[in-house]
Amino acid sequence: DAKTTQPTSMDCAEGRAANLPCNHSTISGNEYVYWYRQIHSQGPQYIIHGLKNNETNEMASLIITEDRKSSTLILPHATLRDTAVYYCIVSYGKLTFGQGTILTVHP
Amino acid sequence: AAGVIQSPRHLIKEKRETATLKCYPIPRHDTVYWYQQGPGQDPQFLISFYEKMQSDKGSIPDRFSAQQFSDYHSELNMSSLELGDSALYFCASSLPGQAPYEQYFGPGTRLTVT
Repeated sequence: DAKTTQPTSMDCAEGRAANLPCNHSTISGNEYVYWYRQIHSQGPQYIIHGLKNNETNEMASLIITEDRKSSTLILPHATLRDTAVYYCIVSYGKLTFGQGTILTVHP
Repeated sequence: AAGVIQSPRHLIKEKRETATLKCYPIPRHDTVYWYQQGPGQDPQFLISFYEKMQSDKGSIPDRFSAQQFSDYHSELNMSSLELGDSALYFCASSLPGQAPYEQYFGPGTRLTVT
C-alpha cells in the first residue's frame, strides 16, 4: 500500500470547515483513497473514499488532485463531536493505518 | 442498522494462557478483517478472510490463529499470551464484490494480559 503523510495535529473552531490534507505521492492506479476516524479508542469509523473524482456524502467531502498525489478531507461544519484522529489510507484491500491527524474542534 | 459485534468486550488473562475473540460481521458481509491496536499506537492489520478462506495476512504472530466459519463469523485464537499482547482488538467487515472495500469496525475487545 502507498505511504501517506498527514499533519500531526490541527485545530478548528466549532461551526467552521475543517480541511485535512494528505499526501500520497506513490499511489498506484487501482488504489483508493479512504478516510477513517477514531474517537478515543472506539472502533475506527469509515468516512468517505474516492478513486479519481471528488466525492461528497452526508459526513464529508473528499477532494482528490488530478494527479492523485494528494487529497483533502473537508468537514463542512465541524462540531465538538468531530474531535478525533483522522486517518488517510491508500489501499486496495486491507487498511494500513499511519500516524493520522489529531483534529481538535474547540468552542 | 446492524453493526459488527465483538465478544467479549473486555478480557483479562494471565501470561501463557489462551484467549479466543469472536467477531460477528454485519449481515451479508462475507469479508472479515482483524486489527490490533496497542496502547498509544495506531491499528495494525493482522489477518483477513473472504468466503471462509484467508485472503491476506499482516504482522500476526505465529501464536495467533484465526478462522472464518460457515455463518461468516470469525474467531481469533491467541495462545501463550504475553504482556505485549495487551491491546484493543478490532474486527471489521465489508460487503462482497469488487473494490472499494469499505470496512465497518466493531467496538473492539480490550485484552489485558497480567
